[in-house]
Amino acid sequence: QKEVEQNSGPLSVPEGAIASLNCTYSDRGSQSFFWYRQYSGKSPELIMFIYSNGDKEDGRFTAQLNKASQYVSLLIRDSQPSDSATYLCAVSPPSGGSYIPTFGRGTSLIVHP
Amino acid sequence: DAGVIQSPRHEVTEMGQEVTLRCKPISGHNSLFWYRQTMMRGLELLIYFNNNVPIDDSGMPEDRFSAKMPNASFSTLKIQPSEPRDSAVYFCASSRISGTAQETQYFGPGTRLLVL
Repeated sequence: QKEVEQNSGPLSVPEGAIASLNCTYSDRGSQSFFWYRQYSGKSPELIMFIYSNGDKEDGRFTAQLNKASQYVSLLIRDSQPSDSATYLCAVSPPSGGSYIPTFGRGTSLIVHP
Repeated sequence: DAGVIQSPRHEVTEMGQEVTLRCKPISGHNSLFWYRQTMMRGLELLIYFNNNVPIDDSGMPEDRFSAKMPNASFSTLKIQPSEPRDSAVYFCASSRISGTAQETQYFGPGTRLLVL
């Protein structure tokens, strides 16, 4: 059974600090990795995706992928109170040209002023 | 673009009643997903359609749950009869197949279901 594990948190960081969110997965054949942000009472919103080992940067967000160790992380630089949300990690294997992602249960992030 | 549209946004019903949730995917998207989210189990995929055809319904919890997609712009998720343990937020998401890969999923606002 495919599993995606995240620390539920909450992770509390001061404004301006770097927030580091981690995710591990069990299916070694996984190829696509996604980070979604979900504000309380709202729907998940994709913020980053990564396919290759290494780092991918987009503004204040950096996704890091290490397939050998089967983990993917999300770094948020210069954290802002508006970043306070639950961050969901999603992982999907290749499957005949389409994918069905498995979601982790999310990490709650609190950025305090 | 209006995004994924779901209705109703909130539903309160009594145990044993039939519940129908509706979804309109983004125009041009050919994949549609139904998810259920609870505190205990997180986000769970219930069923997945490609080009209006159900591809994987292994996440549908019981025969009480059924889903249809009669055309590219409309899908329903039905629970009959409903039970208190069905209380959750139900999300619909859509995406587009591009070549051999799925593109990003876009989620609707969700339907918050409470079964008393």
